Amino acid sequence: DAGVIQSPRHEVTEMGQEVTLRCKPISGHDYLFWYRQTMMRGLELLIYFNNNVPIDDSGMPEDRFSAKMPNASFSTLKIQPSEPRDSAVYFCASSFSHGAGTGELFFGEGSRLTVL
Amino acid sequence: DAKTTQPTSMDCAEGRAANLPCNHSTISGNEYVYWYRQIHSQGPQYIIHGLKNNETNEMASLIITEDRKSSTLILPHATLRDTAVYYCIVRVAISSGSARQLTFGSGTQLTVLP
Repeated sequence: DAGVIQSPRHEVTEMGQEVTLRCKPISGHDYLFWYRQTMMRGLELLIYFNNNVPIDDSGMPEDRFSAKMPNASFSTLKIQPSEPRDSAVYFCASSFSHGAGTGELFFGEGSRLTVL
Repeated sequence: DAKTTQPTSMDCAEGRAANLPCNHSTISGNEYVYWYRQIHSQGPQYIIHGLKNNETNEMASLIITEDRKSSTLILPHATLRDTAVYYCIVRVAISSGSARQLTFGSGTQLTVLP
């Protein structure tokens, strides 16, 4: 099992540029989560999907942020235009809702974004 | 989900047991206690969870008090690789069909000393 795969691992961009972060969840998982982590605010949930449908996007900071999940194996988080305060590590996680499992979230390694 | 309180940081000698406390005095009857950890520069990792009985797996043991208002995560023989931030999270049962997101607090920075 390859786990949750995120790309890019590191991104450095200039203010105003568009940033797209990508996530491939674990095959068979039906929930996908996007978190952001900063020193000041810790881990914050931005949005999550169930069966490719956005369920709760109340954590998305503003309209510059958007997320999509066109199919069960791919999701994107887009920031347009980017600002220095968006600099953070963005984590994608997935989980499986059925059966007697723990329902634990499996996290990717994260995408470290730096906006200059 | 109920709020949790954890110490900001703790040290532990390598090879000794690490006992990480968590207070969750407002926990509801249908809420589980989850523990995750985050090693530097990595994503959070699930450790263990429980409702009211003590639990043990290959990574750790979870001791929940009888009134369920607090719990302790025990790493029986801490190694340097256990140095991480440990998060205690309380959330409703998986089978409730409710949302599955986790709300992370500040956690406890555990440093295992050689």
